[in-house]
Amino acid sequence: EIVLTQSPGTLSLSPGERATLSCRASQSVNNNYLAWYQQKPGQPPRLLIHGASSRATGIPDRFSGSGSGTDFTLTVSRLEPEDFAMYYCQQYGSSPLYTFGQGTKLEIK
Amino acid sequence: EVQLLESGGGLVQPGGSLRLSCAASGFTFSSYVMCWVRQAPGKGPECVSSITGDSIYTYYAASVKGRFTISRDNSKNTLFLEMNNLRVDDTAIYYCARRGSTYAFDYWGQGTLVPVSS
Repeated sequence: EIVLTQSPGTLSLSPGERATLSCRASQSVNNNYLAWYQQKPGQPPRLLIHGASSRATGIPDRFSGSGSGTDFTLTVSRLEPEDFAMYYCQQYGSSPLYTFGQGTKLEIK
Repeated sequence: EVQLLESGGGLVQPGGSLRLSCAASGFTFSSYVMCWVRQAPGKGPECVSSITGDSIYTYYAASVKGRFTISRDNSKNTLFLEMNNLRVDDTAIYYCARRGSTYAFDYWGQGTLVPVSS
């Protein structure tokens, strides 16, 4: 069974800084079917990145995804006030078919 | 505009049943895999069940297998989740989500809350 481990659990940064979030899989992610989501309180998750590195429609280019195999990274190049939220990674293909990480909270320092 | 609207949530006692619905619009519903994703308070999301556009293939997480049943009515653009023998740890917001071509969930509803408590 594949497990996604996100780190750090909480990341405290200031607007304008660069954020680097990690998602590590316990086994290789099938075809790099790895996605990243942003979630704000009271809202559903919002797709940011799919296929490990492709931005979803309407997502600003300050968000970028990278990685392959078992190690993936979400980078926010210059944090805007609206970027402070929870972030989750998610894989498709390995058992269980869909798996989410436990999340990283990006908070204002 | 893609829209997903869940309904049917509400307080239920342990051992009880509930049927969730998700009305879809703005896309060709029958062409997409649809999923029910739940999120317990303070926890990450969990896809509990999915169904292909033609209803041939379904998936259930181990935590709900044998208790939940997913179905869809493509003539009414509606997704369903029949939940039986509910447990306290089924308490969550239940979202319906569309699975896009790259296997990510590209559209989500606003969710419906299912508290399971005596």
